[in-house]
Amino acid sequence: DSGVTQTPKHLITATGQRVTLRCSPRSGDLSVYWYQQSLDQGLQFLIQYYNGEERAKGNILERFSAQQFPDLHSELNLSSLELGDSALYFCASSVATFWDHGNTEAFFGQGTRLTVV
Amino acid sequence: DAKTTQPNSMESNEEEPVHLPCNHSTISGTDYIHWYRQLPSQGPEYVIHGLTSNVNNRMASLAIAEDRKSSTLILHRATLRDAAVYYCILPNRDDKIIFGKGTRLHILP
Repeated sequence: DSGVTQTPKHLITATGQRVTLRCSPRSGDLSVYWYQQSLDQGLQFLIQYYNGEERAKGNILERFSAQQFPDLHSELNLSSLELGDSALYFCASSVATFWDHGNTEAFFGQGTRLTVV
Repeated sequence: DAKTTQPNSMESNEEEPVHLPCNHSTISGTDYIHWYRQLPSQGPEYVIHGLTSNVNNRMASLAIAEDRKSSTLILHRATLRDAAVYYCILPNRDDKIIFGKGTRLHILP
């Protein structure tokens, strides 16, 4: 158990809908990262937050947004869903940012499997 | 940002040591070298990281070349559970943890 909790584990929804994925980082971790992994594809970095502020952005679609709350949990909102958004979505957390303090480990949750039908 | 190069796939026999190479010829002096792995249907898992000297933990060892342009992840005694994709990662100045294609390790019983 990495200590990172993602909910829900599975989500099935229809095209055009909106969903929210939730991530609770490990206790004490200030950084949260979101990744998308489509079937047999690599891990695509979406976005990173550090202590409530957006720190880095990847190729995140405009239909997707995220935020990190004062209690440090994070939510990834996906709207106007398309079939191609079906994927595993992973959240990771670390104590510090990966660059500022390269001597840090990131811990990943087990992911949310999103299926858009 | 420094890039890493890993073989696409490797095979090893069960209960034998495995040496997974990574080239990072443009690494800067302060970049830590990180290794993660992803088992089938699971989230990535931290394996080990180091800066200059070799590192050991309960999962693996990390051997870093003297010039730091390459490193090797060593699994001392591979088991079937070690079959996974292994990623060698360097920090990114934009604070992203970028995963490349990694090395898919197959363990033969």
